[in-house]
Amino acid sequence: DSGVTQTPKHLITATGQRVTLRCSPRSGDLSVYWYQQSLDQGLQFLIQYYNGEERAKGNILERFSAQQFPDLHSELNLSSLELGDSALYFCASSFRRGTSGSDTQYFGPGTRLTVL
Amino acid sequence: AQKITQTQPGMFVQEKEAVTLDCTYDTSDPSYGLFWYKQPSSGEMIFLIYQGSYDQQNATEGRYSLNFQKARKSANLVISASQLGDSAMYFCAMREGPGRRALTFGSGTRLQVQP
Repeated sequence: DSGVTQTPKHLITATGQRVTLRCSPRSGDLSVYWYQQSLDQGLQFLIQYYNGEERAKGNILERFSAQQFPDLHSELNLSSLELGDSALYFCASSFRRGTSGSDTQYFGPGTRLTVL
Repeated sequence: AQKITQTQPGMFVQEKEAVTLDCTYDTSDPSYGLFWYKQPSSGEMIFLIYQGSYDQQNATEGRYSLNFQKARKSANLVISASQLGDSAMYFCAMREGPGRRALTFGSGTRLQVQP
């Protein structure tokens, strides 16, 4: 168990809909990352938050947005869903205050999104 | 150019034997980190091992070791004494620059351990 939790585990929805994926980082971790894993594009970085602030953006579509709340949990919002958005969405966390070194990212179990 | 290249889409190994999974990387940043993750069929991503660009010695974690050849820009994962439970996808990933940055992943290698 990595200590990162994600809900829901599975999500099935229709095209055009909007969904919210939730992530709770490991206790004390300040950084949250969102990744998308799809068959055709592999594992891709979407967006990073650090202590409530957006830190970096990757290949995130304009239809997607995220935020990190004061309690450090994060939500990824996906809107106007298309068939191609079907994927496994991972949240990862890292960086506990006062630590140094590898800044290893620990991944949650993922949310499998199916768009029909 | 690909940042992380894993040239072996699939590998087979006999139980109890050692296996090496290849990873080459491309970066001009002197500070970077290399990671290996395991993804079993259940889907979760499990951290295995880390190597920093300034680390003088190869990283080891139990049965996992990382063969780090900086000049060749390779970071191969060695699994000793393979077990059936090692059957999974293995991803090499790189963080460019100092900490708190996103990872770039390779395409993965599917390892199958045969009894």
